[in-house]
Amino acid sequence: ELKVEQNPLFLSMQEGKNYTIYCNYSTTSDRLYWYRQDPGKSLESLFVLLSNGAVKQEGRLMASLDTKARLSTLHITAAVHDLSATYFCAVQDTGNQFYFGTGTSLTVIP
Amino acid sequence: NAGVTQTPKFQVLKTGQSMTLQCAQDMNHNSMYWYRQDPGMGLRLIYYSASEGTTDKGEVPNGYNVSRLNKREFSLRLESAAPSQTSVYFCASSSGTTYNEQFFGPGTRLTVL
Repeated sequence: ELKVEQNPLFLSMQEGKNYTIYCNYSTTSDRLYWYRQDPGKSLESLFVLLSNGAVKQEGRLMASLDTKARLSTLHITAAVHDLSATYFCAVQDTGNQFYFGTGTSLTVIP
Repeated sequence: NAGVTQTPKFQVLKTGQSMTLQCAQDMNHNSMYWYRQDPGMGLRLIYYSASEGTTDKGEVPNGYNVSRLNKREFSLRLESAAPSQTSVYFCASSSGTTYNEQFFGPGTRLTVL
């Protein structure tokens, strides 16, 4: 069974600062996804990373994938309050199963 | 386009009661999924359907059954609800192709007393 670990689980950061969320997974996969969830809401797709070295950017968020290290990162640049949410990474195995990390709860403080 | 819809939004059951959660998508997706979300545990896959006519177990299938009624609809049934099934349930769909991002429904908050 594929295991997905995210860290940190909780992150409190000041507006304007930079930080990185890490997602490690246990077995080979070249399909990794990042999602955002606001409190009490559903999940929204942020990024799809499909190959080693893939990098995607949207606004203040940038995601990357290193399949050899089994590691993905979600980098936040100059955080703003609107980025406060829980962020999940998910890995797809060779079949069609998805395994989610436990999530990183991000709070951006003015 | 409504995307992925789920009914009901909220449900309270007594232990031993049964119910069916309904899910439908209008994106012509091949694959559909049922997850449960519990505090501190992320999302866990209950069952999925890679294509119409097929269903497979995920990480936590015990106590659940599913039906892929047609390409649009995928239902989740609890035959005899238990308090351990108190959770938020999400349905999702994806194209099933290489670019396989999932689109999630609004969720069903289920409480079993």
